[in-house]
Amino acid sequence: DTAVSQTPKYLVTQMGNDKSIKCEQNLGHDTMYWYKQDSKKFLKIMFSYNNKELIINETVPNRFSPKSPDKAHLNLHINSLELGDSAVYFCASSQTVAGNTIYFGEGSWLTVV
Amino acid sequence: EDQVTQSPEALRLQEGESSSLNCSYTVSGLRGLFWYRQDPGKGPEFLFTLYSAGEEKEKERLKATLTKKESFLHITAPKPEDSATYLCAVLGGGSNYKLTFGKGTLLTVNP
Repeated sequence: DTAVSQTPKYLVTQMGNDKSIKCEQNLGHDTMYWYKQDSKKFLKIMFSYNNKELIINETVPNRFSPKSPDKAHLNLHINSLELGDSAVYFCASSQTVAGNTIYFGEGSWLTVV
Repeated sequence: EDQVTQSPEALRLQEGESSSLNCSYTVSGLRGLFWYRQDPGKGPEFLFTLYSAGEEKEKERLKATLTKKESFLHITAPKPEDSATYLCAVLGGGSNYKLTFGKGTLLTVNP
């Protein structure tokens, strides 16, 4: 069973489009995250949610809007996609926010053309 | 702001040739230091968490150690399947519980 699963794995879209990436975890964790890995492989946090409540919003353009319908799901919606949004987006989860191990999904490869 | 620097950026070893990867960090109040392995096209896979200076953890050919300023990932007698990017990350003592990653070390083990 996949612990943190995200869909789609690959996404190619045109500039200006709106797209969503879905994420689900079956670990019973309270905290979920979205990370972005750019072309230089640098992994940076974008958002984190604890029990559906936003706790980290890391200077991300407001074209990016996370939504957590329940603590097992954290979706990422991106409006008006730009070329610079091309990256790998990783969903992750941890038991709580405080120092617990973070488990990552397999990633969603977004290419904006 | 928390900072993590990993060295070297890339390391090429022969099978059986032991070596170490370095992770230097500056953080206000370390809550945990994490090592992950990332294979091409995959998400980071958790390896170890270290919480305090002097702590050591081992898993197969890997051993992680921690001091107040840095962590080492020692690889003993590596095999080609150990080839991957190894990522180090710290969780600082700030109120936002943000995990800060280094840029990783790309390890290649030749048979």
